[in-house]
Amino acid sequence: DQQVKQNSPSLSVQEGRISILNCDYTNSMFDYFLWYKKYPAEGPTFLISISSIKDKNEDGRFTVFLNKSAKHLSLHIVPSQPGDSAVYFCAASATQGGSEKLVFGKGTKLTVNP
Amino acid sequence: DTGVSQNPRHKITKRGQNVTFRCDPISEHNRLYWYRQTLGQGPEFLTYFQNEAQLEKSRLLSDRFSAERPKGSFSTLEIQRTEQGDSAMYLCASSLGEGGRLAKNIQYFGAGTRLSVL
Repeated sequence: DQQVKQNSPSLSVQEGRISILNCDYTNSMFDYFLWYKKYPAEGPTFLISISSIKDKNEDGRFTVFLNKSAKHLSLHIVPSQPGDSAVYFCAASATQGGSEKLVFGKGTKLTVNP
Repeated sequence: DTGVSQNPRHKITKRGQNVTFRCDPISEHNRLYWYRQTLGQGPEFLTYFQNEAQLEKSRLLSDRFSAERPKGSFSTLEIQRTEQGDSAMYLCASSLGEGGRLAKNIQYFGAGTRLSVL
């Protein structure tokens, strides 16, 4: 049972435009959400996170939005750059439940075209 | 480099052999995690240590798998009697517990050890 779902395996955008990556989750116990970026032959690199008490968190070109009622979060990248081309993973944890594990989606491959 | 270090980067072994991987976390981090990633999937949690104590284990961690973190520093993951289904990328991550300067549960990953079982 996939508790964290990234339904778009791939996304292609033009340089300078907005990239929007989506993530849905099913476990209402999740209270902390993270986005990671992964290049080939490297480990996932932390990008940005959000706690369930917030609905938005911004860090430079990256903004994460959380809609708890819809169990949906999204990552916005503005403006997109060719160096952003990578696989993006959404992850969630149920920290108040005492679990430290991250549950990951399958990832979305973002391609930013010059 | 002060990030998470994993060795070896690649391991090729024959079915039935034992393998051991090592992870050196970021030095001030007290929490260490092991994940496994197969093609087209996100990382899947295997186990977690706080200092030297193994606090959580996934059902994915069969009795052929054992992880240790002696003295709460580096960790090893051993797979006994490897099977072809064990072929995957094994990722290690570390984080700083509550009260530290870093936000809770941001896990920092190493580059992984790619295991191929022939």
